[in-house]
Amino acid sequence: AQTVTQSQPEMSVQEAETVTLSCTYDTSENNYYLFWYKQPPSRQMILVIRQEAYKQQNATENRFSVNFQKAAKSFSLKISDSQLGDTAMYFCAFMKSTGTASKLTFGTGTRLQVTL
Amino acid sequence: EAGVTQFPSHSVIEKGQTVTLRCDPISGHDNLYWYRRVMGKEIKFLLHFVKESKQDESGMPNNRFLAERTGGTYSTLKVQPAELEDSGVYFCASSQDWARAETQYFGPGTRLLVL
Repeated sequence: AQTVTQSQPEMSVQEAETVTLSCTYDTSENNYYLFWYKQPPSRQMILVIRQEAYKQQNATENRFSVNFQKAAKSFSLKISDSQLGDTAMYFCAFMKSTGTASKLTFGTGTRLQVTL
Repeated sequence: EAGVTQFPSHSVIEKGQTVTLRCDPISGHDNLYWYRRVMGKEIKFLLHFVKESKQDESGMPNNRFLAERTGGTYSTLKVQPAELEDSGVYFCASSQDWARAETQYFGPGTRLLVL
């Protein structure tokens, strides 16, 4: 079974600063996908970024980037130039690569507050 | 294009009562998932439909939970009888193609409180 650990229940960052959210996971699989989802207050959860384990290059989406360390089973999310709209709950998630659609395994989440 | 919708947004019931949650996935999505988040804990998988068939129901906690997806469109999750520990946020998600590991799109969730 896979497990995902987010060791930071809450974090705070000032607007325009950079913050890194940590995520580690445990799996015996060699092929899998990793995701960061964000859920703003009272809004739907949306995908922030996705990483395929077979790709060595770290995924980037605008101000969001990941540091994927496969050997260490670490998948941290870096948010650059933080904005007030980044305030949200962030969930790290794992999906086995079975060749078909499959369930997500989530961490407990990190609540990020962006302040002025 | 409409996203994943869930109804109701909130439900407060007493222990022993029945509640039915509904999820409408994105049109054309074959995969429909139910997840649950108990306060302060991780979001846990409940089950996965491919069209109208249950592909994986390994996360269903017990036989008080019954999920259906009639005609491969919307899905319902019934809890009968509800217990206190069933309180939490129930999320539904959908993705398009069973043959691919695609991004799952989530609904806003149903907050269930069992008193």
